[in-house]
This record gives sequence, structure tokens and C-alpha cells, in this order.
Amino acid sequence: ETAVFQTPNYHVTQVGNEVSFNCKQTLGHDTMYWYKQDSKKLLKIMFSYNNKQLIVNETVPRRFSPQSSDKAHLNLRIKSVEPEDSAVYLCASSSGTAETLYFGSGTRLTVL
Amino acid sequence: QQKVQQSPESLSVPEGGMASLNCTSSDRNFQYFWWYRQHSGEGPKALMSIFSDGDKKEGRFTAHLNKASLHVSLHIRDSQPSDSALYFCAASEPRGSNAKLTFGKGTKLSVKS
Repeated sequence: ETAVFQTPNYHVTQVGNEVSFNCKQTLGHDTMYWYKQDSKKLLKIMFSYNNKQLIVNETVPRRFSPQSSDKAHLNLRIKSVEPEDSAVYLCASSSGTAETLYFGSGTRLTVL
Repeated sequence: QQKVQQSPESLSVPEGGMASLNCTSSDRNFQYFWWYRQHSGEGPKALMSIFSDGDKKEGRFTAHLNKASLHVSLHIRDSQPSDSALYFCAASEPRGSNAKLTFGKGTKLSVKS
């Protein structure tokens, strides 16, 4: 049963454009995340958001920014996309740190 | 350096066979472990977690953790074609503000009918 919803499923865009991805969870969890899965299927955490505290992975370029209106929503904005941003972006939630993650089905971004 | 290492990279077993996947952490702070499974076109889904030494069984899946060696394994009994997927091991420090999951590179399992 899907409880973490991501939109859109796919997005194709040109280099330099701005894109935004949406994520909503209906599990009542306090913590949400964005992960990037590259073409080799490696999963790398980008951001975690808990009780309005944002924890950023220091390797994430500044053109990426998370946006949260409440604890059930965590969106991702990318200003001026680059070809290396092509990947699947996975949203996840958990009831706290060091807890099981529940993932959405992902947004596949292709940058031409 | 990859803190969570998985082996093998890929594995093929016959339907009804046993699949064994391995995972080792190089960080002694990692005490909690999970196994996730990802089918093509979907997000990863947690199979099971294991936090204590020994075995944990859930249906056809058995995880084994040895904290002294920071090694965790997953054994799938009576493998089915639907078990064909990418399997990730993930590890974390115990609960705290820095406790986030670190994933291995995955093991691709193919179950041949």
C-alpha cells in the first residue's frame, strides 16, 4: 500500500531550467527525506527534515533546495539543472531517526 | 570509502533454491541494520530490520547479525521469480540526531524459473 506519494513520475527538461518535485506522506511520520538514485542504482541521502530542522548532506550542490509546508509534505526544487542531475529522486519518511524508511515510487529526471 | 559493503554484486538462483546475500560495515558506530528490496520501477521497500545478534526470521526470509564482525546476511528460502529484485543493506547508528541510514551498493538477485 503506497503511503508516500510523489509527483511527477517522470520529467524531461533542458539544462538550465528550474524543476520542482512534490512529495506527500500519509503515515503521520515526523521525518522526511530526499534520496538520489543514480544510473548505477546507488542511493545517496540529500536532505532530512525533522521538526522543522533541516539536515543537509554537504555534498549536495546549492542549486538543490527542499521546501516543507508541514510535516506531511517535503518538496524538492532544483534551480538551473545540470546533466549530472539526471537520476531518480526518491522521497521517504520515517517515524524518527534510525527507523524504517518508507519510500515513494520516485521521480525520474532526465536533463537534456 | 563505502561504509556499507555488499556481496555479491549479482546472484542467480533457481526457483525454489536458497539465495544468500552478505553485508559488512566498516563503521563500528553502525549498530542497526535493515534489508530493503527494490523492484524495477518502484521505490525500495523494507524487508526486515535486525538490531540484535543472532537470527531473525520472517516467512521465507532470515537475517543473521554478528555485531562483533559487523556482518549481516539475508537468506531467502524457496526463492520465487517475484523475489528477483535489487536488495540493499542499510545501516545506522542508534537513535539520535545523526542517525541516518547509509545504504550499500546493492545485490541484484535473479531467480530463474
